[in-house]
Amino acid sequence: AQSVAQPEDQVNVAEGNPLTVKCTYSVSGNPYLFWYVQYPNRGLQFLLKYITGDNLVKGSYGFEAEFNKSQTSFHLKKPSALVSDSALYFCAVRDLNRDDKIIFGKGTRLHILP
Amino acid sequence: GAGVSQSPSNKVTEKGKDVELRCDPISGHTALYWYRQRLGQGLEFLIYFQGNSAPDKSGLPSDRFSAERTGESVSTLTIQRTQQEDSAVYLCASSLVSTGTEAFFGQGTRLTVV
Repeated sequence: AQSVAQPEDQVNVAEGNPLTVKCTYSVSGNPYLFWYVQYPNRGLQFLLKYITGDNLVKGSYGFEAEFNKSQTSFHLKKPSALVSDSALYFCAVRDLNRDDKIIFGKGTRLHILP
Repeated sequence: GAGVSQSPSNKVTEKGKDVELRCDPISGHTALYWYRQRLGQGLEFLIYFQGNSAPDKSGLPSDRFSAERTGESVSTLTIQRTQQEDSAVYLCASSLVSTGTEAFFGQGTRLTVV
């Protein structure tokens, strides 16, 4: 069965520094990968996705993610963090070769320190 | 509709009572998901509907939990004999199938069992 791992419960980054939120996945076929963000007391918002093509995908709010097939990873990145980026981030995978269900990781809380 | 709609937005119930939570997915989305999110925690998969296929109920925590979906439209999540540990935000999401598109989330129902 497909699975997603976010190895860090929390990541702390100083404002202005680059940030990385890690995600690894396991699927039987070709993965469709997603990142979502949840701001305090808000619903989940879609950030970006990898379906096929260029391994580096760009999304909302200046975020990007790099698909690495050999390492089965899809880490979320941003060159310069903002305090407003502080939120809960979820990685998700969808395996169309199986039941097409979207599975989410446990989430990583990102704290940007002013 | 324009987005996924959930009702009620907030529900306070007494321990032992039954509750029904409603989700109206985006029109045309044949996949529908229910998740539970406890305070400050990640997403816990509950149930997945995909078109006319049998639902994936593997995430339902006990037989007090059940869900139905009418065709490819409204879904209701029912919790019988509610317990305090059922207090959480219940999130619904919908998506197209077999396209690799992302899931769209509702704002959730905050359930408080007192």
